[in-house]
Amino acid sequence: KNEVEQSPQNLTAQEGEFITINCSYSVGISALHWLQQHPGGGIVSLFMLSSGKKKHGRLIATINIQEKHSSLHITASHPRDSAVYICAVRYTGTASKLTFGTGTRLQVTL
Amino acid sequence: KAGVTQTPRYLIKTRGQQVTLSCSPISGHRSVSWYQQTPGQGLQFLFEYFSETQRNKGNFPGRFSGRQFSNSRSEMNVSTLELGDSALYLCASSSALGTYSYTFGSGTRLTVV
Repeated sequence: KNEVEQSPQNLTAQEGEFITINCSYSVGISALHWLQQHPGGGIVSLFMLSSGKKKHGRLIATINIQEKHSSLHITASHPRDSAVYICAVRYTGTASKLTFGTGTRLQVTL
Repeated sequence: KAGVTQTPRYLIKTRGQQVTLSCSPISGHRSVSWYQQTPGQGLQFLFEYFSETQRNKGNFPGRFSGRQFSNSRSEMNVSTLELGDSALYLCASSSALGTYSYTFGSGTRLTVV
C-alpha cells in the first residue's frame, strides 16, 4: 500500500487556469518534497517543505502538518507546465529515504 | 556549475547479464541516492551513500548493490538481470546526509530483453 497518496492522478486544464494538486501521507514526516518530471525522465526538485508555505514564481506549495496534507498550486497555468508532479516524503526516523506518491499527470492546453 | 551526470543514458541488456550504472554528483556534494522508476511501482528508493558508506537501503533484493568512491562518484550494479529490472534509474545528490535539498540526474533507462 502506497503511504503517500496524490490526487488527482490525471488533470487537464486550459491555459490560464488555477491548478491544485494534493498530497496526503500517513505518519509524521521531517520533510515533504514536490518534484516535476517532464517526458524523457529528468526530475526537477520544486520545493522542500517542513511547515507553512513556499512560493516560487507561479508555483505555491503549502503543508498542514496536523492534517498530514500538502498542496501544490499553479497559478496562470501554461502549456510548459505540462509534466508529472510527484510528492515525496521523508518519514521521521528514516534518515534520507524518500517515499514517493504515484504522481499527477498534468496537461495544460491552449 | 555542472549538474548531476548519469551514464549511460540508455542501455539494453539481456536477461542474466549484469550492469553497472554511474552517477557523478554536483561538485562538493557528498551524498548520492539512487531510485528506480517503473510504470507499475513508480519511484522507489534503492539506497543512499555518504562518505563511501551505504547509509540507507530500500527493499530491493541483494542483486542490487552500489558503492561510492572517494570523489563522491557512485555506481550501482545489478547482477543476474531480470525482465522486471527494466526501468529508469535515477540518482540524486545533496550536500550532506539528511539535508533536504536534492538535485536529480537525467537518469539511465535500462531495458532488459
